Amino acid sequence: AAGVIQSPRHLIKEKRETATLKCYPIPRHDTVYWYQQGPGQDPQFLISFYEKMQSDKGSIPDRFSAQQFSDYHSELNMSSLELGDSALYFCASRRFLGHGAGELFFGEGSRLTVL
Amino acid sequence: GDSVTQMEGPVTLSEEAFLTINCTYTATGYPSLFWYVQYPGEGLQLLLKATKADDKGSNKGFEATYRKETTSFHLEKGSVQVSDSAVYFCALSTGNNRKLIWGLGTSLAVNP
Repeated sequence: AAGVIQSPRHLIKEKRETATLKCYPIPRHDTVYWYQQGPGQDPQFLISFYEKMQSDKGSIPDRFSAQQFSDYHSELNMSSLELGDSALYFCASRRFLGHGAGELFFGEGSRLTVL
Repeated sequence: GDSVTQMEGPVTLSEEAFLTINCTYTATGYPSLFWYVQYPGEGLQLLLKATKADDKGSNKGFEATYRKETTSFHLEKGSVQVSDSAVYFCALSTGNNRKLIWGLGTSLAVNP
């Protein structure tokens, strides 16, 4: 079965550079979430989109932006990278089921290393 | 706000030992509860879930029961294996957006 696809899997950047991470949700999933997981930490919610509109915002720095496109894939853009941005970035998707507990499916993550 | 508190690790057990990882939560409304597992170098995988009080989630020998009266969702396994070594995250979701709110994770190491 198709899963959530994230690219690239690994990315190395230098301070002050920019990076773009991509997420392709499971087909027919209309909601995408981005999480950041630092070394040895729990995932921190960054931002989510439902039907191409931002639906919730968490601890996403102003240097970061994201959007969901017409084909439901999402991109996380990170500018002026800092050493502390080094982390594993997870994308998750689900199909909105109203008040149901539609399961979140996670991608394998994109590991960003900032040197 | 909503929050999840889980037992601190690391937890080290011998193979075939009994495992309990405690998880309690605070939430408004009626959350769904989850356990996710993260194996070394891998992504997050849903281990089990429960969507209402008294539901029991189970998978791969792991179980957790949604206890509304104690606001808990403790993870248990009767006999752990070396391959269970991983980090386990308790999480909840609530509201229309249903983003996950995570515990800090509990690292489990199982020795042969």
